[in-house]
Amino acid sequence: DVKVTQSSRYLVKRTGEKVFLECVQDMDHENMFWYRQDPGLGLRLIYFSYDVKMKEKGDIPEGYSVSREKKERFSLILESASTNQTSMYLCASSLLGAGVGTEAFFGQGTRLTVV
Amino acid sequence: AQSVSQHNHHVILSEAASLELGCNYSYGGTVNLFWYVQYPGQHLQLLLKYFSGDPLVKGIKGFEAEFIKSKFSFNLRKPSVQWSDTAEYFCAVIGADKLIFGTGTRLQVFP
Repeated sequence: DVKVTQSSRYLVKRTGEKVFLECVQDMDHENMFWYRQDPGLGLRLIYFSYDVKMKEKGDIPEGYSVSREKKERFSLILESASTNQTSMYLCASSLLGAGVGTEAFFGQGTRLTVV
Repeated sequence: AQSVSQHNHHVILSEAASLELGCNYSYGGTVNLFWYVQYPGQHLQLLLKYFSGDPLVKGIKGFEAEFIKSKFSFNLRKPSVQWSDTAEYFCAVIGADKLIFGTGTRLQVFP
């Protein structure tokens, strides 16, 4: 089974802190994604990566950055956490390109609260 | 740019009722289409997917969806819902490797 593991289920951080959310996948997938999930807004794409050291902005990249130094690991960084970044963060991975096998597999999510 | 619209935000049904959740997308190229489900307290799971071929696809737990290219739609259906189908349902499209989701539909099924 594909496994996407996020380092924390719950995090509480203070305003202004630098926050790292880690995600690891074990299926050698090229694509990795970071979303935030908020009630009524669904999943919104923050950043995605299709290869090591490559990154692409999603729909809401402001206030976030990412790092992909190894194929299996994709980190989301909140440079200076703010209360409006309180949310559920979901990581996903998938194979590259259209066709069979490009379904995405999700981690269990990290619920981040910024106080 | 890609986008996905889900028309129903909150649906309430009784057990055994039929279900249809709407999904429309916009993208000019080849797309792959998905429905994901999130049960309370659980992570997102794939219900079904469309890549090519028969536009009527069957997924897990008795769900099916029909891809109508001319309408840019991929509606989810189930003939008879159960209480255990209570969950949030998300339509998603991937084109050019960017996976985009709709805003979700919350389904509540009452016994």
